[in-house]
Amino acid sequence: GAVVSQHPSRVICKSGTSVKIECRSLDFQATTMFWYRQFPKQSLMLMATSNEGSKATYEQGVEKDKFLINHASLTLSTLTVTSAHPEDSSFYICSANSGGASRYYEQYFGPGTRLTVT
Amino acid sequence: KNEVEQSPQNLTAQEGEFITINCSYSVGISALHWLQQHPGGGIVSLFMLSSGKKKHGRLIATINIQEKHSSLHITASHPRDSAVYICAVSNFGNEKLTFGTGTRLTIIP
Repeated sequence: GAVVSQHPSRVICKSGTSVKIECRSLDFQATTMFWYRQFPKQSLMLMATSNEGSKATYEQGVEKDKFLINHASLTLSTLTVTSAHPEDSSFYICSANSGGASRYYEQYFGPGTRLTVT
Repeated sequence: KNEVEQSPQNLTAQEGEFITINCSYSVGISALHWLQQHPGGGIVSLFMLSSGKKKHGRLIATINIQEKHSSLHITASHPRDSAVYICAVSNFGNEKLTFGTGTRLTIIP
């Protein structure tokens, strides 16, 4: 199946700094990528939908100025957590859909990035 | 009430047992997805289905559109099947997934 990578897999940063997480589709072009966060023992929460070449669509309650999303190419989307706080510590996962003519979109998930803010 | 409900929340079984995880949804969907999340956190898409039944190895997924219900079955379960299984639905014209809360499966040797 299609492969989505994330980098880094783990990051520890100090409070107040910014962290960038990359999501890449390795063997297909992804016009749409999704960013999720997941707290321990909870389900995934969609943060935003990232479309190549346009502004991301954020879910209600997600601060767009804090979680900056850039989808510069058909294979790369980045999430930057700005001015990180300890409460931003979480597991961040991206997914990309395979798109195509079919109305049914298979989604492929990245391995996730564990962010710890100290 | 959540739009996607899963049961059971937790399931422990002996190796070799037949496993069933259920998913009910209350919205119109274009497709239903079964996902597997291992303790390391990575998520694997197991199935995407919009009708009928799909089989892959020891895994079987079924969906009943009229009853808005899907099941994931695992035959001859193995400790490596231990993971969280997540049901998610996608809506017509909208690629976003709505997730169930997950079922934590533990298979004991």
